[in-house]
Amino acid sequence: EPEVTQTPSHQVTQMGQEVILRCVPISNHLYFYWYRQILGQKVEFLVSFYNNEISEKSEIFDDQFSVERPDGSNFTLKIRSTKLEDSAMYFCASSEIRYGANVLTFGAGSRLTVL
Amino acid sequence: AQKITQTQPGMFVQEKEAVTLDCTYDTSDPSYGLFWYKQPSSGEMIFLIYQGSYDQQNATEGRYSLNFQKARKSANLVISASQLGDSAMYFCAMGINAGGTSYGKLTFGQGTILTVHP
Repeated sequence: EPEVTQTPSHQVTQMGQEVILRCVPISNHLYFYWYRQILGQKVEFLVSFYNNEISEKSEIFDDQFSVERPDGSNFTLKIRSTKLEDSAMYFCASSEIRYGANVLTFGAGSRLTVL
Repeated sequence: AQKITQTQPGMFVQEKEAVTLDCTYDTSDPSYGLFWYKQPSSGEMIFLIYQGSYDQQNATEGRYSLNFQKARKSANLVISASQLGDSAMYFCAMGINAGGTSYGKLTFGQGTILTVHP
């Protein structure tokens, strides 16, 4: 079963530092996503990416966030200057059309702790 | 705006019994999809089942079925013959067919923790 892989599984950083979370989506998928889940809260959409550009983003995804597909296999989320409230589990996903809909396959997540 | 509500923070079921996990949704869009994901303790979210708003029949996928009641805006997940490995967090989610990402932007519920007892 193909899977989405994410690294690191856990990162601890100091407030104000830059963080890059990495993801390898499933190879034949065309859409890529980042979601996050703050502890005890709902899973929230951050951004979707298609054809090398952002197709949609949420209000959470402000100028501190950026995404990139640097080499055709990796998909990264960068947080430029982390804040305490960025502490969360970040999920990468990629999708394919099944049942007439984009069905997302998620990775296991990267837990970010900002001190 | 879309909203998903899962009112059961936790559910318990005996092994081999069936269990229903509740999900209600709210949207004004006529074209939408409803998804259920399972999140075991390892953290990844595993796709279980999908129901489109125009689908006439309830979706089924092995031991999973979706009890879709459009007028009541509910999309409950039914797991038949529960197994110990079904113990996990279960999320209901909704996506809107709005062109480009076509359901890719999902709105999630709070989740229900299911515990299967031997």
